[in-house]
Amino acid sequence: GALVYQYPRRTICKSGTSMRMECQAVGFQATSVAWYRQSPQKTFELIALSTVNSAIKYEQNFTQEKFPISHPNLSFSSMTVLNAYLEDRGLYLCGARDASSAETLYFGSGTRLTVL
Amino acid sequence: GQQVQQSPASLVLQEGENAELQCNFSTSLNSMQWFYQRPGGSLVSLFYNPSGTKQSGRLTSTTVIKERRSSLHISSSQTTDSGTYLCAMANYAQGLTFGLGTRVSVFP
Repeated sequence: GALVYQYPRRTICKSGTSMRMECQAVGFQATSVAWYRQSPQKTFELIALSTVNSAIKYEQNFTQEKFPISHPNLSFSSMTVLNAYLEDRGLYLCGARDASSAETLYFGSGTRLTVL
Repeated sequence: GQQVQQSPASLVLQEGENAELQCNFSTSLNSMQWFYQRPGGSLVSLFYNPSGTKQSGRLTSTTVIKERRSSLHISSSQTTDSGTYLCAMANYAQGLTFGLGTRVSVFP
């Protein structure tokens, strides 16, 4: 079956430092990967949508300078949170789209970021 | 304003009771999905349901695209059903716009 492995599951970083999270699609080709953030007491916000061989599209309030994304092939994507501060804490999720499966998004288990 | 509105915000059930969760969209949509968010935060995709009714075990999803609404019915609830149920619509960027969720608590 189709799976998305996301790691790390949890991470703690000091204010002003950076952390990277990764997603790997298994069992399907991830033609696009969407990254989301769920801040405390809020719902999921789309950070950016990355499609292989296309420019990464960032949503309003999110920038490449703050959340650089790498999507080099059909099975791997990574996102870094640069200079993390308290407002960046929350649950980050990647969702990978399998175009051959009714455009369903398969989600990783999430990376919970705590900023000290 | 919120493009995806879910109701109720929270629901408390006695084990065995049925429940109906609603999702309304303020804009036209091509597709939508229902998710279950485990207490730890991870998401489980329940239904991808552009239109019509789909059933999986005790869960039934009914979506009427032209009316911009979808419902999720839980029958014979169990304590393991506790968690947050999210609906989301696919927007123009092919990402998803999530609702705020319905927090379901099922007690024995």
